[in-house]
This record gives sequence, structure tokens and C-alpha cells, in this order.
Amino acid sequence: DGGITQSPKYLFRKEGQNVTLSCEQNLNHDAMYWYRQDPGQGLRLIYYSQIVNDFQKGDIAEGYSVSREKKESFPLTVTSAQKNPTAFYLCASSIGGVGGNQPQHFGDGTRLSIL
Amino acid sequence: QKEVEQNSGPLSVPEGAIASLNCTYSDRGSQSFFWYRQYSGKSPELIMSIYSNGDKEDGRFTAQLNKASQYVSLLIRDSQPSDSATYLCAVRGVDSSYKLIFGSGTRLLVRP
Repeated sequence: DGGITQSPKYLFRKEGQNVTLSCEQNLNHDAMYWYRQDPGQGLRLIYYSQIVNDFQKGDIAEGYSVSREKKESFPLTVTSAQKNPTAFYLCASSIGGVGGNQPQHFGDGTRLSIL
Repeated sequence: QKEVEQNSGPLSVPEGAIASLNCTYSDRGSQSFFWYRQYSGKSPELIMSIYSNGDKEDGRFTAQLNKASQYVSLLIRDSQPSDSATYLCAVRGVDSSYKLIFGSGTRLLVRP
């Protein structure tokens, strides 16, 4: 089945530790996105990527890093510089990129907590 | 800062009623509008997209867009308890065409 797979579903981070959240899609979508959702809040954009080997900062990129070495994969690293990482992390993808009207589709999310 | 505003709710309606969810946006140049449904603890699921003024119907759902008033709404006819969820409005503007701006969502509760 085509879709977006995020792993793990739950993740715990220790103080000073970097953790990486995985996002893989087999929809052949060009654009991929990472969002953060805090309880009772909307989604805030962390990073996005239009094509392989290119990505841009979103509204809240500090303390996060990404890579886009393959079209299918867009992993997010939550670094120790992110002091308040507890949130629900959502990966999304869409056909096309700049100028496109296509909607974004989401993976099932990763819930990150601090130990 | 471009904004998308939604009443947080909860909006409580009886089963079988019409639920009306509203969203206003600040970027007059916005071109694409989406409604997502998010069940508690789950990820958002696309239910409607609308790009031009007027109504767009899909089953029990109708999206309404009024660009002059910068207003988009979602009507759910014959509401069911399974419709109880948070509904997120998302808007894509002209000058940031890659980026969706999400509202904080309206929580809908359908009473049996």
C-alpha cells in the first residue's frame, strides 16, 4: 500500500541526547515536510524539502536538523539544543512543490517525550 | 504574520444535525484551502480541498469558500458520533506557496 511511514511511534529522549525520527514515503511525492504539534495547538512547520539534496527552514527550525538524500526519505533529528522537545511530530508529503495546489498527506506521527 | 483563525470549541451538536465549522484567514492572496480531520492521538486526515469561491460537496461534507470575506467553512450533514474529532483548517498563500498555515482546530462533539 502507498503511504507515509513514520517510526518509531513513541520515542523517549534523555538529557543531552540527539534523537532521529524516521519518515519514509512510497507515493513518489517530491515535497516532504516536518511539523510539530503541541497539545491543543495547530501544526507548526519545522523543515520542508522540495527536491532531493535541498531543504528549507520552516517557522521553528532551531534545535532540529534534517537531510534529504533520497526522494523517499526525510529524517528529522531533534538535537540537544531543542530544550522543549516533548510534542507530536508529523511528517507529510505532497505531489510537486512550489506553486502546487496539491494537499499534504500525513504519516501516523511520532510522539516524543523527555525521560 | 499570516494567520488562520478557528474557534477552538467544543462545538456540540446532536446526532443527525448539521455541524458548521468556520475558519477565517488573513492572507488575501491565499489560493488553496483544506480541511483536515484529526481524531484524538492520531494524525490529520484530509477530508476536503477547495480552490474557488462557492460550494464543493463530497458526500455529507460541504466546503464553502468566500475569498472576498476571507472565510472558509465546512458543513457536515447528518452528523454522526464518529464525526467527533478536531477539524483543522489549512490555507496556502500566494507568496509562500509551499507552506500551509494551519489553524489550531475546532473540536466537534456529536452527541448520540
